Amino acid sequence: GENVEQHPSTLSVQEGDSAVIKCTYSDSASNYFPWYKQELGKRPQLIIDIRSNVGEKKDQRIAVTLNKTAKHFSLHITETQPEDSAVYFCAVPRGYGGSQGNLIFGKGTKLSVKP
Amino acid sequence: GAGVSQSPRYKVAKRGQDVALRCDPISGHVSLFWYQQALGQGPEFLTYFQNEAQLDKSGLPSDRFFAERPEGSVSTLKIQRTQQEDSAVYLCASSLARRSTDTQYFGPGTRLTVL
Repeated sequence: GENVEQHPSTLSVQEGDSAVIKCTYSDSASNYFPWYKQELGKRPQLIIDIRSNVGEKKDQRIAVTLNKTAKHFSLHITETQPEDSAVYFCAVPRGYGGSQGNLIFGKGTKLSVKP
Repeated sequence: GAGVSQSPRYKVAKRGQDVALRCDPISGHVSLFWYQQALGQGPEFLTYFQNEAQLDKSGLPSDRFFAERPEGSVSTLKIQRTQQEDSAVYLCASSLARRSTDTQYFGPGTRLTVL
């Protein structure tokens, strides 16, 4: 079955620096790659996603890059702010020939942004 | 519009009690998922509904766990004879259709503590 690995497990940066989180996956048929942000005690919230027909997607300070050959995708946050502090999860859907499947999550990265 | 809602937000049960957790998905969403999130971990899949049909229950940890969605909208996750290892946050997610690329929107979760 699909296997998702996420690194690093913790990341501490100074405000204004960039942060990069990487995930690798095993199923070459995977075609959708979301990133969720979860603040303490809150629900996971989608912050950006990418589909397999593009290599990069950007939304203001957040970007995601996808390398389908190497089977990895990364979250990039620039100009980090204290409110970016949270746990970030990558996920890959378990597909059934393109039909909906559950998400398989990485173990999460706890990002701390120091003022 | 209204997002995914769950009730209760917190539930404390004595070992051996039965509990019922409710999920109200976004109106019109076809797909509904239940996940279990242990402290410091990513969400793990429990079960999946497409409308009223339970298409996948492979993630349910034991036959004490039961889920239903009788009218294709509200769903209930029931845990019988609760054990301490059932303590976790139970998350519900819904998505509009049934494609593997559809975004899953999460509810705030129910934090279950079994004493």
